Amino acid sequence: DTGVSQNPRHKITKRGQNVTFRCDPISEHNRLYWYRQTLGQGPEFLTYFQNEAQLEKSRLLSDRFSAERPKGSFSTLEIQRTEQGDSAMYLCASRQTTGENTEAFFGQGTRLTVV
Amino acid sequence: AQSVTQLGSHVSVSEGALVLLRCNYSSSVPPYLFWYVQYPNQGLQLLLKYTTGATLVKGINGFEAEFKKSETSFHLTKPSAHMSDAAEYFCAVSEFDGNNRLAFGKGNQVVVIP
Repeated sequence: DTGVSQNPRHKITKRGQNVTFRCDPISEHNRLYWYRQTLGQGPEFLTYFQNEAQLEKSRLLSDRFSAERPKGSFSTLEIQRTEQGDSAMYLCASRQTTGENTEAFFGQGTRLTVV
Repeated sequence: AQSVTQLGSHVSVSEGALVLLRCNYSSSVPPYLFWYVQYPNQGLQLLLKYTTGATLVKGINGFEAEFKKSETSFHLTKPSAHMSDAAEYFCAVSEFDGNNRLAFGKGNQVVVIP
């Protein structure tokens, strides 16, 4: 098990373009989270999945953002019509819900720069 | 809703000196508390966590933290700073309400002075 994997690690895109990020969680983890981290700030919750079901979306997740986890394994986060304000590190985390508040494991993140 | 306050975005400490990072939380229910460390261009690594039981918790790399309910605090300490401790540190709170999402503080950038 190599942990939570995120691809790409870095993405530079022009304003107005669409981008998609991928997260591969730890294989037995049924819960997957997306967070966004801007410079000088802590990560902020975006959304989470229990298996393939998206159970909660933050108000930070505008209509331009969509996340999927079609088979309850990997997840994708798509941003349409990117804006400069979308520039951030996008972090994925996964955990197993059996047991009391087990640890969430984070990936290394995808750093998005919108120019 | 839960929240975390970390004061002092940058913290400088001499090598060998005490590391103290302060964290105060707000939660409507008994919280679960965490400290994470982040190295440049990396994800977050868990240092330690408090869920229930003993209020003094020990983590990796010689760090420990004490949960004080009366002060709504969860301060992180390490007796002797090492150069490798230079990183960003985040305190986080989670409410065991089913989703277990984390609310993070703004972080402390720790600089270790030789």
